[in-house]
Amino acid sequence: EDQVTQSPEALRLQEGESSSLNCSYTVSGLRGLFWYRQDPGKGPEFLFTLYSAGEEKEKERLKATLTKKESFLHITAPKPEDSATYLCAVQRHGTYKYIFGTGTRLKVLA
Amino acid sequence: DADVTQTPRNRITKTGKRIMLECSQTKGHDRMYWYRQDPGLGLRLIYYSFDVKDINKGEISDGYSVSRQAQAKFSLSLESAIPNQTALYFCATSDLYWTGDTGELFFGEGSRLTVL
Repeated sequence: EDQVTQSPEALRLQEGESSSLNCSYTVSGLRGLFWYRQDPGKGPEFLFTLYSAGEEKEKERLKATLTKKESFLHITAPKPEDSATYLCAVQRHGTYKYIFGTGTRLKVLA
Repeated sequence: DADVTQTPRNRITKTGKRIMLECSQTKGHDRMYWYRQDPGLGLRLIYYSFDVKDINKGEISDGYSVSRQAQAKFSLSLESAIPNQTALYFCATSDLYWTGDTGELFFGEGSRLTVL
């Protein structure tokens, strides 16, 4: 069964304190792994798609990496505006479904 | 204006009432989805549609129905609402042909439903 597990559930960082969020997945034939950012009361907003192990994508202070079993979202020198819930999702080849994890709630303190 | 628009944004209703949540999109996408989000459970798929004539159940379709009125419109109905349907509901769209660009879902702002 396809499965996505995110850790930690919640993370508090001081401004400038770099860290990583983890997304472990089990899927037969990965088509893509997706990272989203979700602000309270809003819809998820797309960040990255990763397709194969070894791939990396960057956007401002965020960098996503992918292995055959997990993905990391590295946050370098975070700012308070990076506070949000970060969601990970996977899609298997030949299916319509996006399987979501339960997210990591990130709080960055000034 | 938002690419994916949901109405209403907030709704409080009573047990047994019929509720419709509406979604419209201007992205020109064929695929549309309804998700439900609950704390600790993540996003779960209720229904999805690949075009006007193609509607499919997701993992938690019991108690819900949908209608695809046009390519741009996809509505979710709760025929007889119950308290455990209290949740945040999201409509999303994606391209029919995933050409290896990004393949992501585009979400609306959500509809918060409370069933008393």
